[in-house]
Amino acid sequence: GQSLEQPSEVTAVEGAIVQINCTYQTSGFYGLSWYQQHDGGAPTFLSYNALDGLEETGRFSSFLSRSDSYGYLLLQELQMKDSASYFCAVAGSNYQLIWGAGTKLIIKP
Amino acid sequence: GAVVSQHPSWVICKSGTSVKIECRSLDFQATTMFWYRQFPKQSLMLMATSNEGSKATYEQGVEKDKFLINHASLTLSTLTVTSAHPEDSSFYICSAIGNLATDTQYFGPGTRLTVL
Repeated sequence: GQSLEQPSEVTAVEGAIVQINCTYQTSGFYGLSWYQQHDGGAPTFLSYNALDGLEETGRFSSFLSRSDSYGYLLLQELQMKDSASYFCAVAGSNYQLIWGAGTKLIIKP
Repeated sequence: GAVVSQHPSWVICKSGTSVKIECRSLDFQATTMFWYRQFPKQSLMLMATSNEGSKATYEQGVEKDKFLINHASLTLSTLTVTSAHPEDSSFYICSAIGNLATDTQYFGPGTRLTVL
């Protein structure tokens, strides 16, 4: 079957750095995406990796290793507004996304 | 760019009635749109893939006669929940492919449906 594994919950302190890991097992792979979702809201796109390596966008970075079927989202200088759920998703055929179960990020002051 | 709107943002209806939810891509053409539902504290569940000008492709376990999808133009897809029941109460979210090179999906704000 197809699956993505990510931790259900991560806790960090404001101003710190946190890494959310994602491992995947899918029949097709066209890229690994990360989305952020605040309670009651819809997901918003954060980043996309099609090739191995690190992609940096401001305080957020995303990493991919296709040989390890592994990626992570790195959040730096954490702010209280970063408290949300973070989903990794693999782009498969027909542009569909296969979603992880999501990681709830709890930030403490 | 890549803005997706959804209407209504929330709706309350009586059991047995039908509810239509609209999803629009405002500043781009979307040949492919997706409909998801999400229960509290769970991940998004893909219901169907909507392609402009053709029939939607439903995921296993999703009743096509209950969840009618129409994608009549490149900027509009609709989901109609027919004969709604309380168990259909959920958060319904649409998305559209905004970047074919990266398969990035841009999401509408979602519609919270409550069936009494």
